[in-house]
Parts: sequence; C-alpha cells; structure tokens
Amino acid sequence: NAGVTQTPKFQVLKTGQSMTLQCAQDMNHEYMSWYRQDPGMGLRLIHYSVGAGITDQGEVPNGYNVSRSTTEDFPLRLLSAAPSQTSVYFCASRSGLGSPLHFGNGTRLTVT
Amino acid sequence: GNSVTQMEGPVTLSEEAFLTINCTYTATGYPSLFWYVQYPGEGLQLLLKATKADDKGSNKGFEATYRKETTSFHLEKGSVQVSDSAVYFCALSRLDQFYFGTGTSLTVIP
Repeated sequence: NAGVTQTPKFQVLKTGQSMTLQCAQDMNHEYMSWYRQDPGMGLRLIHYSVGAGITDQGEVPNGYNVSRSTTEDFPLRLLSAAPSQTSVYFCASRSGLGSPLHFGNGTRLTVT
Repeated sequence: GNSVTQMEGPVTLSEEAFLTINCTYTATGYPSLFWYVQYPGEGLQLLLKATKADDKGSNKGFEATYRKETTSFHLEKGSVQVSDSAVYFCALSRLDQFYFGTGTSLTVIP
C-alpha cells in the first residue's frame, strides 16, 4: 500500500519558472490538501479539496493553483516561482471528518 | 477560532528520561486531537489520537489524554530512547480543517 506519493523529492527552480508538484493517493480518500513547512512556522495550509471537482483556498494560497479531476490526484502548480516559495511541501489526505491526515514524504523546493 | 499551542523547543534529554511535551488548544465545538512525529527528511506520521474528552491515545510507549477541562493534550513517555529523536507536532481537527502547532524538536542523547 503506497499511501500518499509525492514527486519530485527535490526541485530547484529559477525565479519566474513554473512547475507542478505531483501528489497521488491510493486510499480512496475524498479529502486532500497541500501544506508548506517553513522553519519556526509549522505547517501552513495552501489549498485543499473535499472531492473531485471541488477545491478551496487555505491560509497561504497566493502564487499556487490546484485542480482535482480525479479522486487519486491533487497536483499543485506554481505559476511563477519566487524565492519566498522556497520551502518543503507536503501533500496529505484523509478519509472522513475527524480521521487523521496521511502525509507524503514531501518535496523540497528551492527557488533561486 | 481554532488554534494549537505547544511548548517551544528544542528539548534535549538523556536516554531513559521522562518526556512531557505540553500542548493546549482553543477550539469551537468538539475537535479531535492528534500527535504527529516527523523524522529527518520524512513526512509527518500519526503517533496517536483521541476523539473525545477523557480519551487516552497511546502508541510506542507514548501517551496523551484529551482533557477538555484544561483544553490540553500533553504528550508523555516514561523512558525515551535515542530513536525517539524527532520533531513532534500537536494538531486538532475540526470540521474540514486541521490546525497544527509549530512543532517541538526532541533530541535524546545516549
């Protein structure tokens, strides 16, 4: 059982470039989400989805886009990378309300 | 609103010492509470959970009790090991959202 799979593990971008961080889960979870983790700031929610075709903004959505065309996949797009987006990004999913989040192993992104 | 406050780190303990990491929360309604652990280079892993008042979550020697009267969910372990060195996050879940503390780094020295 793979759980939540994120690719790539590491990425370096130049300012202004765009890219997509991939996230896939094989647990048939309706809820999926993206967080960024920065030193001293814990985890901050970027976007989330409660099911295919439904997405919503979290605490820090600016500069990021998401879509949810299938239950399994929830890609995160950086439209025009900025150094402030240097961070570790985690995708997470859960089943019903009150259930724990299951996390991927993260993507470490550096924007120069 | 909903929020989680956990003790600042880093925490350094000798092997076999007793561990407490404090966590308090503010929430509307009846949240579920969680402790997650993050090892270097990895994602967060669920350590334990509690879904209602007075529930005790436990796993791998760690315990935490959901205390509604003090709005707390403190993490404890009676005898820590070097392999417990990690960052620990307290979290609450309310409706669609999770709220995380800022994490407490624990280092256990032999």
